[in-house]
Amino acid sequence: QKEVEQNSGPLSVPEGAIASLNCTYSDRGSQSFFWYRQYSGKSPELIMSIYSNGDKEDGRFTAQLNKASQYVSLLIRDSQPSDSATYLCAVKGGSNYKLTFGKGTLLTVNP
Amino acid sequence: KAGVTQTPRYLIKTRGQQVTLSCSPISGHRSVSWYQQTPGQGLQFLFEYFSETQRNKGNFPGRFSGRQFSNSRSEMNVSTLELGDSALYLCASSSDRGSAHSPLHFGNGTRLTVT
Repeated sequence: QKEVEQNSGPLSVPEGAIASLNCTYSDRGSQSFFWYRQYSGKSPELIMSIYSNGDKEDGRFTAQLNKASQYVSLLIRDSQPSDSATYLCAVKGGSNYKLTFGKGTLLTVNP
Repeated sequence: KAGVTQTPRYLIKTRGQQVTLSCSPISGHRSVSWYQQTPGQGLQFLFEYFSETQRNKGNFPGRFSGRQFSNSRSEMNVSTLELGDSALYLCASSSDRGSAHSPLHFGNGTRLTVT
């Protein structure tokens, strides 16, 4: 079983819509969860972090965490063409704090 | 604050050669991690250093090695290069190895091409 799994994508949404990105993880002891955005040819950029069950909102972004289901998601409201990128889910383990990434979901926002 | 700095940005090497990549973390950050990114495998963890000690290691062959200096700067070395080593190598730093909540901040990466 892969440690961190994401929707394979690509995900295409129209401008102004809500984009929903999902991620599951296998280590029940995981403590920290991050979403990174990576534009083509660029390095990953941290956009959200979440540590407790529930929702965390930051502008147009909302991260949701459900530790019982080992599931974390990212919602992007009012999607813009500039949101078109690969979104990487990253999970930090409970024992050695190693940050493990999913393979990413490519999001395309169509004008 | 300056971000994570990686040098060089691009490298072209021949099979069998070796290469050294350099990373300067954000000032005050003591943890440095290295990742390999390829289209097929995504971001693969290489190793993590904290206070000059390797704390975590990924599943890469011994040809991949690294070290960290007393000023937290880090280098990684790949010996006997293979075509499959062509990738984007990313360095990331974080502020506190002891905290599970410390996010990683990435540098711009070194694009290595092996011919």
